[in-house]
Amino acid sequence: EAGVAQSPRYKIIEKRQSVAFWCNPISGHATLYWYQQILGQGPKLLIQFQNNGVVDDSQLPKDRFSAERLKGVDSTLKIQPAKLEDSAVYLCASGKNRDSYNEQFFGPGTRLTVL
Amino acid sequence: KNEVEQSPQNLTAQEGEFITINCSYSVGISALHWLQQHPGGGIVSLFMLSSGKKKHGRLIATINIQEKHSSLHITASHPRDSAVYICAVYSQGAQKLVFGQGTRLTINP
Repeated sequence: EAGVAQSPRYKIIEKRQSVAFWCNPISGHATLYWYQQILGQGPKLLIQFQNNGVVDDSQLPKDRFSAERLKGVDSTLKIQPAKLEDSAVYLCASGKNRDSYNEQFFGPGTRLTVL
Repeated sequence: KNEVEQSPQNLTAQEGEFITINCSYSVGISALHWLQQHPGGGIVSLFMLSSGKKKHGRLIATINIQEKHSSLHITASHPRDSAVYICAVYSQGAQKLVFGQGTRLTINP
């Protein structure tokens, strides 16, 4: 079974530029999560999808971050414009169903550096 | 104060030592996860606990629901165990995973 795929693995941009990350979850997983992990901290949930609907985006900075999962499969997370404090690893995870106490499977992450 | 606190934040030990990482939480939970994160970012789930104790190879995880505390133990530690270990709880109130800040473990040969 293929794992969660993310691209790119690394990205370096200047502040105020735009960037997009892509995630392809494990086949058949209905739930998809985007997390932000700042160096030295645990992951913080940005947005949770159930199929193509948003379940929780309460911690997504909506003035600059957006995410979509149009066909209920793969997803993109966009930052526009980026700030220095957005430098972090962006993790995508998927799960079979909505309840997080079931196992989540994580992708390798995208390390973003904003200069 | 964070809802999930781990200790220690950093731990360095010699190969073969018995390792304990602790996790305390302040919210009502449905389950607790122990995760392993290697350099490069990828996270692997080690255990999911709602009570008692689980063992997988050299790793043992325990949870005390009354005391809101969990421990991850590694027996006969090896340099390949070097990683960040993260405790995460499924918060009944928030209905999502809440993560600790992680414990960076380094095992020297």
